[in-house]
Amino acid sequence: DTEVTQTPKHLVMGMTNKKSLKCEQHMGHRAMYWYKQKAKKPPELMFVYSYEKLSINESVPSRFSPECPNSSLLNLHLHALQPEDSALYLCASSQGQVGKRSEAFFGQGTRLTVV
Amino acid sequence: DAKTTQPNSMESNEEEPVHLPCNHSTISGTDYIHWYRQLPSQGPEYVIHGLTSNVNNRMASLAIAEDRKSSTLILHRATLRDAAVYYCILTIYNFNKFYFGSGTKLNVKP
Repeated sequence: DTEVTQTPKHLVMGMTNKKSLKCEQHMGHRAMYWYKQKAKKPPELMFVYSYEKLSINESVPSRFSPECPNSSLLNLHLHALQPEDSALYLCASSQGQVGKRSEAFFGQGTRLTVV
Repeated sequence: DAKTTQPNSMESNEEEPVHLPCNHSTISGTDYIHWYRQLPSQGPEYVIHGLTSNVNNRMASLAIAEDRKSSTLILHRATLRDAAVYYCILTIYNFNKFYFGSGTKLNVKP
């Protein structure tokens, strides 16, 4: 199983709502990532978890709150978002350090619309 | 973090080879060169990576310049399914992060 599964595929939320994005992998990977991708732009790194600990936060606003409950699961909690936060949110995982040995596997993304 | 420069777009004919260039003049000795591609409406997928030597796999070949300041992704016979945005990325070998550059949009004509 080389899949990263993201749910939901599409999400529409109001600016006062609280919602969560979910990402799951069963490859035994110990690094997991959240990226944000606006239309016709490259993905932008948001967060990196390594061994279930947050290792990188790319100065993301606090209305985005990541959580890694266990080594297979990654959540992104959303609260009080703005319309400009509408984007494709991508989750990825890798066995360890991306570079020497490890490739990253990406999910299909959650397309988020904030109204 | 070292940056990469790629042409915005390229066009190829089906069943012909495609050479996608990438410049990374500020690369350091510990940076690996990765290529990913993103098909329409999908997440990025790994294509190939290397450090110094040329690399081949079932999808593509990676040719790395001797000074490592540039590399070329080679698709040996382009198919319509290869139409995608191709990203050249540098990753520090012991670091859990990588940044996407602007990418090259490849159009394959039948």
